[in-house]
Amino acid sequence: NAGVTQTPKFRILKIGQSMTLQCTQDMNHNYMYWYRQDPGMGLKLIYYSVGAGITDKGEVPNGYNVSRSTTEDFPLRLELAAPSQTSVYFCASSAGTGRPYEQYFGPGTRLTVT
Amino acid sequence: GENVEQHPSTLSVQEGDSAVIKCTYSDSASNYFPWYKQELGKGPQLIIDIRSNVGEKKDQRIAVTLNKTAKHFSLHITETQPEDSAVYFCAATFQAAGNKLTFGGGTRVLVKP
Repeated sequence: NAGVTQTPKFRILKIGQSMTLQCTQDMNHNYMYWYRQDPGMGLKLIYYSVGAGITDKGEVPNGYNVSRSTTEDFPLRLELAAPSQTSVYFCASSAGTGRPYEQYFGPGTRLTVT
Repeated sequence: GENVEQHPSTLSVQEGDSAVIKCTYSDSASNYFPWYKQELGKGPQLIIDIRSNVGEKKDQRIAVTLNKTAKHFSLHITETQPEDSAVYFCAATFQAAGNKLTFGGGTRVLVKP
């Protein structure tokens, strides 16, 4: 049981490039989330999903897109990368029932845009 | 939406002393308040949580208290150890928001041996 896995661990992008951050969970959780964490700051919600085929915007969605074609995967797409997107990105999941609010986090992807 | 403020932003304590972190929230409908610990280079990990029908919860050296009237909750760490050094985040949520969490800004705790 690996929990939440994220790839890559590190990435450097040039301004204007695009990339996809991968997130997979093996806990059969319905809910998945993407956060960004800027240096010395808290976590800001980018997008979330309550189940396959359903996604919704969080607090800071501009410049990002997501899809949820399966229960396990929730990739985050960056189009036209900008320096303001330099951050650490965390994916998380929660069951949605039982203990619905308990979120399990992945190890993060550190992204630098130069 | 929900707003969560966390204080202090940094906290330095001597090993063996207690550490207290306080959070306030804005939405009176919030009913779940978790605390996460983030070690260097890792994702946040849930360490304790409390629901709105409970005033206090304890797990070994950590405890959380909730004051719904004042809309604030606190994390207490007793007999601190060097391995308690980390960034701690409080959060709040309510069911109507799709089980989303709103996080405080974090507290960097340093336990000096």
